[in-house]
Amino acid sequence: DAKTTQPPSMDCAEGRAANLPCNHSTISGNEYVYWYRQIHSQGPQYIIHGLKNNETNEMASLIITEDRKSSTLILPHATLRDTAVYYCIVRVEQTASKLTFGTGTRLQVTL
Amino acid sequence: DAGVIQSPRHEVTEMGQEVTLRCKPISGHDYLFWYRQTMMRGLELLIYFNNNVPIDDSGMPEDRFSAKMPNASFSTLKIQPSEPRDSAVYFCASSLRRQPQHFGDGTRLSIL
Repeated sequence: DAKTTQPPSMDCAEGRAANLPCNHSTISGNEYVYWYRQIHSQGPQYIIHGLKNNETNEMASLIITEDRKSSTLILPHATLRDTAVYYCIVRVEQTASKLTFGTGTRLQVTL
Repeated sequence: DAGVIQSPRHEVTEMGQEVTLRCKPISGHDYLFWYRQTMMRGLELLIYFNNNVPIDDSGMPEDRFSAKMPNASFSTLKIQPSEPRDSAVYFCASSLRRQPQHFGDGTRLSIL
């Protein structure tokens, strides 16, 4: 699985959009970009995933660049409950194997 | 819908004791994963099962660790004998083959 690079921490004001970047310059053609988050004292929670097209669900939007070497997770209206560590993971969807978690981005949402 | 259920949520025991962690996956899921999270190493996979059969146990740290899945609705992770360095949060996750993994809330294990 390709390696990902994320900033260690970010701040966001409540009600504003949180844009979390991820670099995955060595991504292969059959690898998907997954996002998970981990709120303190809880298990990781799946957010969204995509291959090359932008994706949106009830939680977030995922924007993948045309060359697929980077992506951005967007929380459109961040709340205090979105404070968590966000992990960007690249893997081949067709293989139900391990998720390789990096160090993620610690997002702090403030009033 | 019930998510992945882990028990106990917290376990404190003395070095040398046997520890058994339990996991009930989401009904219908055919993959089950055990992860461990520590400050030093982050989240790492220990072992995973497909249709109750262990597929990859390369992450199991040593012979003191063992995992079983006797049926589709139950799995255990056992440590015998336990050591202080085994202190961590242990997560269980389950999934359908191509679907995202869903995690339980973990067992926080402290070995004194």
